[in-house]
Amino acid sequence: DVKVTQSSRYLVKRTGEKVFLECVQDMDHENMFWYRQDPGLGLRLIYFSYDVKMKEKGDIPEGYSVSREKKERFSLILESASTNQTSMYLCASSSSAQGGEKLLFGSGTQLSVL
Amino acid sequence: AQRVTQPEKLLSVFKGAPVELKCNYSYSGSPELFWYVQYSRQRLQLLLRHISRESIKGFTADLNKGETSFHLKKPFAQEEDSAMYYCAPFPHTGNQFYFGTGTSLTVIP
Repeated sequence: DVKVTQSSRYLVKRTGEKVFLECVQDMDHENMFWYRQDPGLGLRLIYFSYDVKMKEKGDIPEGYSVSREKKERFSLILESASTNQTSMYLCASSSSAQGGEKLLFGSGTQLSVL
Repeated sequence: AQRVTQPEKLLSVFKGAPVELKCNYSYSGSPELFWYVQYSRQRLQLLLRHISRESIKGFTADLNKGETSFHLKKPFAQEEDSAMYYCAPFPHTGNQFYFGTGTSLTVIP
């Protein structure tokens, strides 16, 4: 069964810590995405990557960075976590570099920054 | 800027009643149109895509190019339809994949 796997379901960190959220897909997809999901705000795109070592900013990249050293893995990095980064983080992947292909999502990481 | 609007954050209907979840978009060109759904404690998943013209779980969505809308409809709501629904017009060119703000649907028994 093909899937997108996020390494942690729940994560609690302290303000100022460096946080790594990991995502792995086993479908050989070119595109990978990081979203955050907040009540009333929906899904907001943080970063996406359409190839290894390639990345582009989404709507809300401030305070985040990403890394894609291998095709199957896309990491989201919070350089210095803040309380306003408490959120549900969703990773997704898709098979096409163009629009029109469906996204497959991971189960999400609920991050709490205290 | 390309944007998606789902005007209802919360929507409640009684079981057996018709339901319509609204989606309006402002995109240049003709985007590919999707609806995604997230049931309680499950992953966000594709519900339907316009190009396939399928009816999934009794839901359909009609594209109105004049109004730039892609409303999701079901004639008789079921309790298992209670979920969070996201409209997603994806561009054929470019790489920005935006979702709407979502509508939480509750079907009352």
